[in-house]
Amino acid sequence: NAGVTQTPKFQVLKTGQSMTLQCAQDMNHNSMYWYRQDPGMGLRLIYYSASEGTTDKGEVPNGYNVSRLNKREFSLRLESAAPSQTSVYFCASRPGRGYYQPQHFGDGTRLSIL
Amino acid sequence: ELKVEQNPLFLSMQEGKNYTIYCNYSTTSDRLYWYRQDPGKSLESLFVLLSNGAVKQEGRLMASLDTKARLSTLHITAAVHDLSATYFCAVITGNQFYFGTGTSLTVIP
Repeated sequence: NAGVTQTPKFQVLKTGQSMTLQCAQDMNHNSMYWYRQDPGMGLRLIYYSASEGTTDKGEVPNGYNVSRLNKREFSLRLESAAPSQTSVYFCASRPGRGYYQPQHFGDGTRLSIL
Repeated sequence: ELKVEQNPLFLSMQEGKNYTIYCNYSTTSDRLYWYRQDPGKSLESLFVLLSNGAVKQEGRLMASLDTKARLSTLHITAAVHDLSATYFCAVITGNQFYFGTGTSLTVIP
């Protein structure tokens, strides 16, 4: 099973450029999440989607937008990249609210903004 | 704002020794999760603790939860090099997870 698949794995952007990070899961999960991981700061939630058709802001949403395209796919868009958005981005999914199962994580996207 | 604090942040220990990682959180939650992350890799679920007094063990790792004290511990018994990694705890409120800053564990031969 593929689990949670993120693309691309690595990306270098120039300040001001835009890009979309893709995430897809094949576990029929309802909830999907986007996190960023910076040294010494753990994982911080950017946006999440509790179920298809809904999205909510997390702890650090500024500078990002998301789209829950369907039950499988949840994308993260940087409209105008800034050096402060250099980070490792993880997508995760889980069955949904009311379930105790942990999140399943993708392999991450390592993004550098120059 | 929910806060999740782990200590220590860095831990260097000799093989064969025991140690405990602590995870404190600031609001009511009856579920706590522990994850492991190897350098440059993704996060892997270790334990899910579902109620007060819950204890889970897998190999040399044992996790426990005290919801009244808002404290979880991850105890390492007779550490081996393969346990070197970063360990995160996370609590859930509604459908949102809040992660601790992680404990970077290095086991020295």
